[in-house]
Amino acid sequence: GQNIDQPTEMTATEGAIVQINCTYQTSGFNGLFWYQQHAGEAPTFLSYNVLDGLEEKGRFSSFLSRSKGYSYLLLKELQMKDSASYLCAVRDAGTYKYIFGTGTRLKVLA
Amino acid sequence: DTAVSQTPKYLVTQMGNDKSIKCEQNLGHDTMYWYKQDSKKFLKIMFSYNNKELIINETVPNRFSPKSPDKAHLNLHINSLELGDSAVYFCASSQEVRGNTQYFGPGTRLTVL
Repeated sequence: GQNIDQPTEMTATEGAIVQINCTYQTSGFNGLFWYQQHAGEAPTFLSYNVLDGLEEKGRFSSFLSRSKGYSYLLLKELQMKDSASYLCAVRDAGTYKYIFGTGTRLKVLA
Repeated sequence: DTAVSQTPKYLVTQMGNDKSIKCEQNLGHDTMYWYKQDSKKFLKIMFSYNNKELIINETVPNRFSPKSPDKAHLNLHINSLELGDSAVYFCASSQEVRGNTQYFGPGTRLTVL
């Protein structure tokens, strides 16, 4: 089957580091994506992993382990504006569908 | 220079009505999608078109009919609207390069009364 799991909610403090985990099960794998979605807005692309390892982009990094079906999104030097939902999505190689997790709602506190 | 645009942004209508949502992308992408995001924020694929051809058709009631007049446009028509159709509908597009990153439109919030 196809399944993506993420924590529902996380809370962190401004200036801190937070790691949002994502585990997945799909019939085929063709890339993992992280999106940020602020309340009432569209999802916006953050990162993409298709090979194992870490991809760094400014304050955001994303890690992938295909053998473990696991990814995380690391946010450093948290800012209030980082309060949003973070969606993990996997592209299924067999169906070419993007399967989204339910998202992790991150609250950054002052 | 909006990348993916949708109209209308808000749609409030009565049960049983028929309505359409329009989507346009100016990114030159080949593939377009419709997603439904429910009240629990779960984003679920409904349809996908590649160069005007339907390639993904999830288990969606046949009251929903997508139409792609050209590869820059993908419209969604909904017949006989039901209360359960209330949700935010997102259009997205992608190109067959580096992982096919999807770019989302601003969403259409549909409320069926």
